[in-house]
Amino acid sequence: NAGVTQTPKFRVLKTGQSMTLLCAQDMNHEYMYWYRQDPGMGLRLIHYSVGEGTTAKGEVPDGYNVSRLKKQNFLLGLESAAPSQTSVYFCASTANTGELFFGEGSRLTVL
Amino acid sequence: GESVGLHLPTLSVQEGDNSIINCAYSNSASDYFIWYKQESGKGPQFIIDIRSNMDKRQGQRVTVLLNKTVKHLSLQIAATQPGDSAVYFCAENIKRGDSWGKLQFGAGTQVVVTP
Repeated sequence: NAGVTQTPKFRVLKTGQSMTLLCAQDMNHEYMYWYRQDPGMGLRLIHYSVGEGTTAKGEVPDGYNVSRLKKQNFLLGLESAAPSQTSVYFCASTANTGELFFGEGSRLTVL
Repeated sequence: GESVGLHLPTLSVQEGDNSIINCAYSNSASDYFIWYKQESGKGPQFIIDIRSNMDKRQGQRVTVLLNKTVKHLSLQIAATQPGDSAVYFCAENIKRGDSWGKLQFGAGTQVVVTP
């Protein structure tokens, strides 16, 4: 049972490049989330999904897009990366509870 | 706006002592609170939760206390061990009907356990 898996774990981009982070969960959870974590700022919610085919904006959605075409996958896209998007990104999933299961994180650097 | 915050950014604790990590919240409508632990290089892990109709909940070596009067939450770790060294986050949630809401995380407290 892998839980929540994020790929890639590390990525370096140049300003303006695009990329997609993939999150996969094998727990049949309805809810999935993308957070970013910056020093001294805790976890901030980017986008989330309450079920297959649904997405919603979180606290800091600008510059990101998401898709939930399959229940087990939640994709986070950056269309035109900016240095301000340098961060560690965490995906999480949950059944209808407060116990979120997090992935190991994806460290993104935008030069 | 509403916020969740922590009083101390870093807490140094001697091995074997008890740790107390504090958290203030400002949203009176929050009905559910959770503590997470994040070890270096890993994702956060659920520790314990408490609903707003409770003022205390105990787990294995951990106790969460909720004081709604002053909007304060604390996590107590008994007999702190080196493996407890991590960043601890409190999070609050406002449940919307039958649906799960969105968690708002505090900035975190770094706990350092010294021998």
